[in-house]
Amino acid sequence: DVKVTQSSRYLVKRTGEKVFLECVQDMDHENMFWYRQDPGLGLRLIYFSYDVKMKEKGDIPEGYSVSREKKERFSLILESASTNQTSMYLCASRRGRGVGYGYTFGSGTRLTVV
Amino acid sequence: GENVEQHPSTLSVQEGDSAVIKCTYSDSASNYFPWYKQELGKRPQLIIDIRSNVGEKKDQRIAVTLNKTAKHFSLHITETQPEDSAVYFCAASINNQGGKLIFGQGTELSVKP
Repeated sequence: DVKVTQSSRYLVKRTGEKVFLECVQDMDHENMFWYRQDPGLGLRLIYFSYDVKMKEKGDIPEGYSVSREKKERFSLILESASTNQTSMYLCASRRGRGVGYGYTFGSGTRLTVV
Repeated sequence: GENVEQHPSTLSVQEGDSAVIKCTYSDSASNYFPWYKQELGKRPQLIIDIRSNVGEKKDQRIAVTLNKTAKHFSLHITETQPEDSAVYFCAASINNQGGKLIFGQGTELSVKP
């Protein structure tokens, strides 16, 4: 079974702090994704990466950046945390570039910005 | 870009009844449509998926149908059980965009014993 591990289950940060959310997968997947999940809005794509050092903006990249220095690790960075970034953050990975491969999700990080 | 709309947002059924969740998508180039189930406090898990060259797919009590002309796909759960209670998400993706999935807003299904 593919494992996608998010470093923290719960985080509380102060407004203006720089926040790092870490995600590691153990099955050599090429593609990795960061979503945020909010009630009534579903899962919204923040950033994704289909190779080391490659990144693409998703639908809501503002206020976020990412880093993928190694294939197994994809980090989400909140440059200056704000209260509207309080949310559940889900990392996912997927193998291959072709159609038909589903995601494997991490357990999520619930971030509260106070 | 792609947009996925999902309805209803909440659905309550009696145990043994059927449940249907519907999604529409906007980009006719979308060619892969998975469904995820998220139980309370847990990660989303893939339960069934369908590709654009197939009209229907079944897996025991779960089925998905796809109408490419209408850009519409649906999840059907028959003989519902209390353990089917969860939030269900539909999604769509386009092959040449790194496999990124665009999700619907989610449906909270409650199966009453």
